[in-house]
Amino acid sequence: EAQVTQNPRYLITVTGKKLTVTCSQNMNHEYMSWYRQDPGLGLRQIYYSMNVEVTDKGDVPEGYKVSRKEKRNFPLILESPSPNQTSLYFCASSPGTGRAYEQYFGPGTRLTVT
Amino acid sequence: AQKVTQAQTEISVVEKEDVTLDCVYETRDTTYYLFWYKQPPSGELVFLIRRNSFDEQNEISGRYSWNFQKSTSSFNFTITASQVVDSAVYFCALSVPGWRDDKIIFGKGTRLHILP
Repeated sequence: EAQVTQNPRYLITVTGKKLTVTCSQNMNHEYMSWYRQDPGLGLRQIYYSMNVEVTDKGDVPEGYKVSRKEKRNFPLILESPSPNQTSLYFCASSPGTGRAYEQYFGPGTRLTVT
Repeated sequence: AQKVTQAQTEISVVEKEDVTLDCVYETRDTTYYLFWYKQPPSGELVFLIRRNSFDEQNEISGRYSWNFQKSTSSFNFTITASQVVDSAVYFCALSVPGWRDDKIIFGKGTRLHILP
């Protein structure tokens, strides 16, 4: 089944404790992206990647890191999480460069930072 | 700069009524793509439609229809004879290919309640 998977689905952590949210897709898509969803703010793009070893900042990259060592994986790293990073996170992928194609979203990761 | 505005934060209608969700976008580029996504109460995000800037034909898919008007920079979404299962948050999104970046901009979403 074609899908985007994220792990974990739910995470409660404390300020400053490094964490990684994994994202993997099995559709051989070039473009992958991370979003955060907050009430009243909609979806905001954190980082995106057009291909292996190519990553770029979205609109809200501060406090996040990503890497794209393999085509299928695009982990989101929070080196020192803070409470303002409490949010619902979505990973997405799309074929081609991503601009012209619909995105396939993962199920979401709900992160709480205390 | 690119921007997507969904002015309707929340809408409630009675089942079987028609409802239109507004989406207004801003871009100076002539080539761009517009999308609608649905987020039902279960939380997943589901793609509904894509439209490129050179195709102004309206589209109908069952009870769903989309009206793209470049003159008003709008890409509105209408649900005819709404059903309770249409209750969801709907997002409009804009993608502008460019040499500087490949960001995708989402609107803040419209929460639609269909009342039985």
